[in-house]
Amino acid sequence: KNEVEQSPQNLTAQEGEFITINCSYSVGISALHWLQQHPGGGIVSLFMLSSGKKKHGRLIATINIQEKHSSLHITASHPRDSAVYICAVSSNSGYALNFGKGTSLLVTP
Amino acid sequence: ETGVTQSPTHLIKTRGQQVTLRCSSQSGHNTVSWYQQALGQGPQFIFQYYREEENGRGNFPPRFSGLQFPNYSSELNVNALELDDSALYLCASSPLAYTGELFFGEGSRLTVL
Repeated sequence: KNEVEQSPQNLTAQEGEFITINCSYSVGISALHWLQQHPGGGIVSLFMLSSGKKKHGRLIATINIQEKHSSLHITASHPRDSAVYICAVSSNSGYALNFGKGTSLLVTP
Repeated sequence: ETGVTQSPTHLIKTRGQQVTLRCSSQSGHNTVSWYQQALGQGPQFIFQYYREEENGRGNFPPRFSGLQFPNYSSELNVNALELDDSALYLCASSPLAYTGELFFGEGSRLTVL
């Protein structure tokens, strides 16, 4: 069983919809990362958080340490948001990132 | 634009060959990690280098090896290539070894025939 589970695996939304992607993990962590990967492979770091909530533009990330759960929200979704969104955690033991399998998001006009 | 560059972007090798992939870190970053991403999967941690020393390794055999140079650029070497080594190889640099934000390159896509 992967230490990081994401849901849903695939998501299709219409432009303008509010989107939520969930991430659950089973180990103690020092930080949780939300990443965006476009076709072709490059990964961009969206958020790194260890508590509470962060906001950047239309993106909001929250984390509940007690429940070992994080969510990524996209408000007023746009077709350019179409990508794979990956949750990854840095465990308390240090260096390695454990990745979820990703959520493939398609936003249609 | 993350400031992390990888080369080559694509390459094709045959089983048994050796390959070297390169990563140029963002300026000022002394930590680099390498990841393997098979098609449809999340990335898997290969190893991390901090100030030219390997300071962590994932579940990969010894034929996966690396180097980090004084300018903090890095190489991933894979010997005796196998078909299952076909994947996207990503490097990520960070200003901090354990908890820093990561800056990823675009990846090197390796196909082993």
